Amino acid sequence: AQSVAQPEDQVNVAEGNPLTVKCTYSVSGNPYLFWYVQYPNRGLQFLLKYITGDNLVKGSYGFEAEFNKSQTSFHLKKPSALVSDSALYFCAVSDDNYGQNFVFGPGTRLSVLP
Amino acid sequence: DAGVTQSPTHLIKTRGQQVTLRCSPKSGHDTVSWYQQALGQGPQFIFQYYEEEERQRGNFPDRFSGHQFPNYSSELNVNALLLGDSALYLCASSLGLANSDTQYFGPGTRLTVL
Repeated sequence: AQSVAQPEDQVNVAEGNPLTVKCTYSVSGNPYLFWYVQYPNRGLQFLLKYITGDNLVKGSYGFEAEFNKSQTSFHLKKPSALVSDSALYFCAVSDDNYGQNFVFGPGTRLSVLP
Repeated sequence: DAGVTQSPTHLIKTRGQQVTLRCSPKSGHDTVSWYQQALGQGPQFIFQYYEEEERQRGNFPDRFSGHQFPNYSSELNVNALLLGDSALYLCASSLGLANSDTQYFGPGTRLTVL
């Protein structure tokens, strides 16, 4: 069975500084990894995904994530944080077995301080 | 291009009642998945519909049931409501059943059970 861990409940970063939101995963097959962002009282908004190929994935709003198979990690990064990036971030995993049962992590709240 | 829409936005019910939530998928999508997001947690997969059939189901009791219509829209029904059913219910749509396909989420329906 798949599982996702986001070891930090909260990440605080100053505006203009780089940010990292951590995610580790466990799957039985080849992993498909996703990052979503959730603003207050809103649904989840897709940021980026890793399916295969280049380990560095670029997504929306300047976000990127690096897939590391040996460490089973898929950390979300941004070179320069904005106050508007403050939100709840979810990592999700599925795998290459039949069916589309996404498993989400518990979420990490990112606060970007002006 | 219309995204995923859900109705109603908010709903208040009492224990023991039944509720129906509705979802229209993103234009061109044929697969609908439903998730429950309790306060402070990540979304949990309820079930997935494709070609008007339930294709996958998460760890939810039979009180949770659904339906998909020929136009790909979907309903989530919950019978005999419990206080613990209070949550944000999210609908997500995708094209096909491939695990690598991105799921796009609606804004959710906030259900409060009193």
